[in-house]
Amino acid sequence: QVQLQQSGAELVKPGSSVKISCKASGYTFTSYDMHWIKQQPGNGLEWIGWIYPGNGNTKYNQKFNGKATLTADKSSSTAYMQLSSLTSEDSAVYFCARSKLFAYWGQGTLVTVPS
Amino acid sequence: DIVMTQAPLSVSVTPGESASISCRSSKSLLHSNGITYVYWYLQKPGKSPQLLIYRMSNLASGVPDRFSGSGSETDFTLKISRVEAEDVGIYYCGQLLENPYTFGAGTKLELK
Repeated sequence: QVQLQQSGAELVKPGSSVKISCKASGYTFTSYDMHWIKQQPGNGLEWIGWIYPGNGNTKYNQKFNGKATLTADKSSSTAYMQLSSLTSEDSAVYFCARSKLFAYWGQGTLVTVPS
Repeated sequence: DIVMTQAPLSVSVTPGESASISCRSSKSLLHSNGITYVYWYLQKPGKSPQLLIYRMSNLASGVPDRFSGSGSETDFTLKISRVEAEDVGIYYCGQLLENPYTFGAGTKLELK
């Protein structure tokens, strides 16, 4: 069965960077886009972008250009998202989700940036 | 960006009764291929969102047929027949037609 296992919660300093992971199993990793979505406490869902692990192509929400960088490691079937120059506005739960249907989601990674 | 507007923001339903949630997009979500790219998700308390309906009216795998989706190019409805306790959570509509993909603010469903 398809599973997306995300890395654990992060407490990070303002101005620093963080890299969170999403390990895929149960399907051919290189055949489906992996998307990333942000959810701030009590707020809705905000799409960040996607990566196609087959060739590394990426597409970003313009709002996250320069903030998020998506990569993928085919050898370990793991997608990554690096967030840079962190501020309190980046405090959120970040989800990975497979394919355009978003039929499969990771459990979410909480990133906390103290103000 | 395409704006997705949901109504109501919250709804309280007696178990066994039905509920409807509306979603309106600021732009037509009907692609030239005939597919309408609106999706519905449910986020149960403390959980990740789960897909309910894809491409406006298609029931996702494993989702009870009490759920149904309908609509036009810009106005969409999620209907839940015979609401059960497990249906509690926040419902989101989303458009996956064009970058950036966007979601409604969510509708919180509670039981009376």
